[in-house]
Amino acid sequence: DTEVTQTPKHLVMGMTNKKSLKCEQHMGHRAMYWYKQKAKKPPELMFVYSYEKLSINESVPSRFSPECPNSSLLNLHLHALQPEDSALYLCASSQDRNKGTQYFGPGTRLTVL
Amino acid sequence: AQTVTQSQPEMSVQEAETVTLSCTYDTSESDYYLFWYKQPPSRQMILVIRQEAYKQQNATENRFSVNFQKAAKSFSLKISDSQLGDAAMYFCACTWGTSGTYKYIFGTGTRLKVLA
Repeated sequence: DTEVTQTPKHLVMGMTNKKSLKCEQHMGHRAMYWYKQKAKKPPELMFVYSYEKLSINESVPSRFSPECPNSSLLNLHLHALQPEDSALYLCASSQDRNKGTQYFGPGTRLTVL
Repeated sequence: AQTVTQSQPEMSVQEAETVTLSCTYDTSESDYYLFWYKQPPSRQMILVIRQEAYKQQNATENRFSVNFQKAAKSFSLKISDSQLGDAAMYFCACTWGTSGTYKYIFGTGTRLKVLA
């Protein structure tokens, strides 16, 4: 099973809402990632978890809050977002942090009104 | 600066022909990994091919092969016998991690069109 799943597929939220994105993998990978991708642009790394610990935070605003409840799950909590945060949010996982091939999920298309 | 550059925003190839996508990178690390990812329209990003910097032999994967020139910091992707399903955005990426610093950098992408 080389699948990374993400829910929801689409999300529309207001600037005062609180919502969460969920990512799951069952490949036994120990590194998980959140990326933000704007249209026609490359993915931009946001966070990296390694062995369920946050190892990289690429200066992401605090309105994005990651969480790794266990080795298979990764959440991204959203609060007080801005319209410019509208994007495709991709989750990925790899066997380890800095060498492994990353397997990507299909993404969550987020629209902030 | 540590960068990955794809100088071709868009490329076209005739079905069954061969096309080469260019990528250059800049890193001072000695141990790093290079990848080509494919992202079809509205579909999932998937790995096309991977190259470890310490390996001199160019990676191949069926119709996909790379030309890895370490000294020139060049990592081009050759697609042979192009198929309609190869149409996608292709991203070159470089990752490395030493002394607690980890980087994952993607190039800006090359959109490949395959003409029937």
